[in-house]
Order: sequence, then C-alpha cells, then structure tokens
Amino acid sequence: AQSVTQLGSHVSVSEGALVLLRCNYSSSVPPYLFWYVQYPNQGLQLLLKYTTGATLVKGINGFEAEFKKSETSFHLTKPSAHMSDAAEYFCAVTDSTGANSKLTFGKGITLSVRP
Amino acid sequence: DAGVTQSPTHLIKTRGQHVTLRCSPISGHKSVSWYQQVLGQGPQFIFQYYEKEERGRGNFPDRFSARQFPNYSSELNVNALLLGDSALYLCASSWAHEQFFGPGTRLTVL
Repeated sequence: AQSVTQLGSHVSVSEGALVLLRCNYSSSVPPYLFWYVQYPNQGLQLLLKYTTGATLVKGINGFEAEFKKSETSFHLTKPSAHMSDAAEYFCAVTDSTGANSKLTFGKGITLSVRP
Repeated sequence: DAGVTQSPTHLIKTRGQHVTLRCSPISGHKSVSWYQQVLGQGPQFIFQYYEKEERGRGNFPDRFSARQFPNYSSELNVNALLLGDSALYLCASSWAHEQFFGPGTRLTVL
C-alpha cells in the first residue's frame, strides 16, 4: 500500500519569498513521485516528477523537488514566489513496478502569496 | 494537440438518479483512469482501464462502473446517486508512468 502525507493545509508566503511545500510518502516498492498544481475550477497540471536517476528534479514555473529516500520525502521548493503561484498543490505517488499505475494523492496544500 | 477532454463540464442531479460522464484521452494513449475529488481533498482513484480491460479499481461501491471503448474513450457511470457523490470527477490518460488530466466534470447531487 502507498500513502502520501502533506503536513498543513495552508501555506502563506510573501511575494519573492521562498516556497517550501512538504511531502512525505510511504511505499513498499520503489516509488515514482509527482507534484501537481490545481488552479480554481481546473484540472491537475503536472509540475514535476521523479522516476529514476537524478534525485533533484526541476519542473515548470521555477519549481524543483528533491527525492530523499532515507527521509521518505519529496519536498517542493521555489526560490521566489510569484502571485501567479497561488493555487492548490498535490503530491502523489505511484508504484514503479508497473503492476498498478494508479496515483495516490495527499490531501493538498493551498498556497497563498501576499503582495 | 488536444489534451484530455471531458463532458459535460457541470451536471446537477437529484438523489437516486443515474449519471454518465465521458472522457476522451490524448490521441495515442490507451490507458484511462478516473478519480473523484471531493471539495478540500486530494483526488481518489476509482478505475483504470487499459485496452478496454479494467486494470484497477479503487475502494468505491458497485454503484460506480466504467467502460472503455475501441477508440479508447471512456464512460464513468454512477447509479443511485447520493449526496456524498457530489464532487469533481477527473479523467486522466497515461503515457509512460505520467498521467495527463482533463478539466473534470463537476457533479452536484441535490
């Protein structure tokens, strides 16, 4: 079984400040990890993913995340927040063995950006 | 290229009714998955279909069913609607471990 924990439901930062959204996962097999963003009344857009190889992955809009196996974490960061980053962010995990490609999501974190 | 499309965009039903939601995957994608997103929560997996066969089912009652057609489009059916079925229903098509999501269908059950 797989699970994702996203601590805190709401993060508020000032424009230009560092964004840090935390994600911890549980998986009995090597995981594939994803971050998705959801704007109001829209579907999910992939920000970045970790499958194999380099543990620091870069995504769209200046976001990046680092896979840390020892900490079972995949935290999302961005050096400088923009107003347009305000949205809901979801971390998700799937089984890398291919037996089942369903995504298991965390509860999500709402990011607010203050002017 | 067109992304994943879903219809209808919004839907209002009353308790006990039946609903059918439709999804067209990205051209060339043979796998479709359905997720339910209740307000304030992350999406929950309902079904996955690949080449018209069910490959996975989440923890949902038998009132939920789905199928995939020869052109890889898919339908999600929900019978005997309950108030708790009100949610955003997301469809995703898959390619190489990546899932591409449609805009969703917002279902409201009154």
